Amino acid sequence: SQQGEEDPQALSIQEGENATMNCSYKTSINNLQWYRQNSGRGLVHLILIRSNEREKHSGRLRVTLDTSKKSSSLLITASRAADTASYFCATDAGNTPLVFGKGTRLSVIA
Amino acid sequence: DTAVSQTPKYLVTQMGNDKSIKCEQNLGHDTMYWYKQDSKKFLKIMFSYNNKELIINETVPNRFSPKSPDKAHLNLHINSLELGDSAVYFCASSQIQPGNTIYFGEGSWLTVV
Repeated sequence: SQQGEEDPQALSIQEGENATMNCSYKTSINNLQWYRQNSGRGLVHLILIRSNEREKHSGRLRVTLDTSKKSSSLLITASRAADTASYFCATDAGNTPLVFGKGTRLSVIA
Repeated sequence: DTAVSQTPKYLVTQMGNDKSIKCEQNLGHDTMYWYKQDSKKFLKIMFSYNNKELIINETVPNRFSPKSPDKAHLNLHINSLELGDSAVYFCASSQIQPGNTIYFGEGSWLTVV
């Protein structure tokens, strides 16, 4: 069954603005990851946050995790046109494989 | 220096045909996967192999048969193709430990006509 659900499904912003995407999941997890998919390409790993972590940064990316609410958010600061892509969250719970959500399609308009 | 490579990238074929998609990874990973991404971008795992052994087989028609000749290769063979099989198929690999990053190939666009 599908685990992660991203919200919103689509997001359109101006270059320079911040983009926030949310992910909710249903069962307890060990780790949550965010991936990016450019049009016509494979998924690329962005960042991993463990269940005992609350926040993580990587460059212009900031990920938060709230295990009590079973949710995570991905913030992209100072967005660029090149950030236009689909963003997926994926969760694992022990020996289970990663389960992906349907993704958020981000459009950054120059 | 492609880490996970899959071929062909595009495949158009008629209903009823049998086709294969090949995948190779040069990362030394123990685990390989096949994912299917439908037209709504939903990415669903199909199979997972660890050191050539099948460890996950989600609800997939038995027309789909993965074959792993060694831990660096995981091929996907599809018999009697149907219109609903049209999708993008992604091969991926990772180290066996849960939570490790998955490395994806560029995808194989299958269109059944």
